[in-house]
Amino acid sequence: GQSLEQPSEVTAVEGAIVQINCTYQTSGFYGLSWYQQHDGGAPTFLSYNALDGLEETGRFSSFLSRSDSYGYLLLQELQMKDSASYFCAVPNQAGTALIFGKGTTLSVSS
Amino acid sequence: DTAVSQTPKYLVTQMGNDKSIKCEQNLGHDTMYWYKQDSKKFLKIMFSYNNKELIINETVPNRFSPKSPDKAHLNLHINSLELGDSAVYFCASSQDGVGASENEQFFGPGTRLTVL
Repeated sequence: GQSLEQPSEVTAVEGAIVQINCTYQTSGFYGLSWYQQHDGGAPTFLSYNALDGLEETGRFSSFLSRSDSYGYLLLQELQMKDSASYFCAVPNQAGTALIFGKGTTLSVSS
Repeated sequence: DTAVSQTPKYLVTQMGNDKSIKCEQNLGHDTMYWYKQDSKKFLKIMFSYNNKELIINETVPNRFSPKSPDKAHLNLHINSLELGDSAVYFCASSQDGVGASENEQFFGPGTRLTVL
């Protein structure tokens, strides 16, 4: 089956850089996605990596190493509004639904 | 316009009751999903529907039944509600199955179900 591990909590201050790691075990691999969820809100898509390397989208970047079954989400120039839960996710073996990690709660303080 | 909508947003009910949650997407997507998020924020797939065909059912009790009258709607009906069913239920949609490229999933706002 599919399983993902990510830290449960990360804290940082405004303006800092934080990296949220995700390791996965899968039977077959399509790609690694990242979702953001604010308290009381819905998960929203941040990024997707199917190939090794770094993908940059504004202040957020996502990295994948398929050989290490590892990826990370990099958040730069942190803002208070970045305080949220961040989930890594991979498709299930059949490619019919996403399997999510347990989420990392990021707290940004001033 | 709201891409994925769910009703109701909050649902409080007694054990043993039957309830339904409605979901609609106006994105023209082919696949819709139901996820359950528990109090520890663990997000778990329950069902997905592709062109009105159920394609997965992840060990969900048969008290839960998805119903899709058309491609834009996937409703969730729950019979004989139990305390452990209390959670936030999210509907989502995507253009194709998640194995196809990046295939972003769009989530509805969620329905917070409380069973007393």
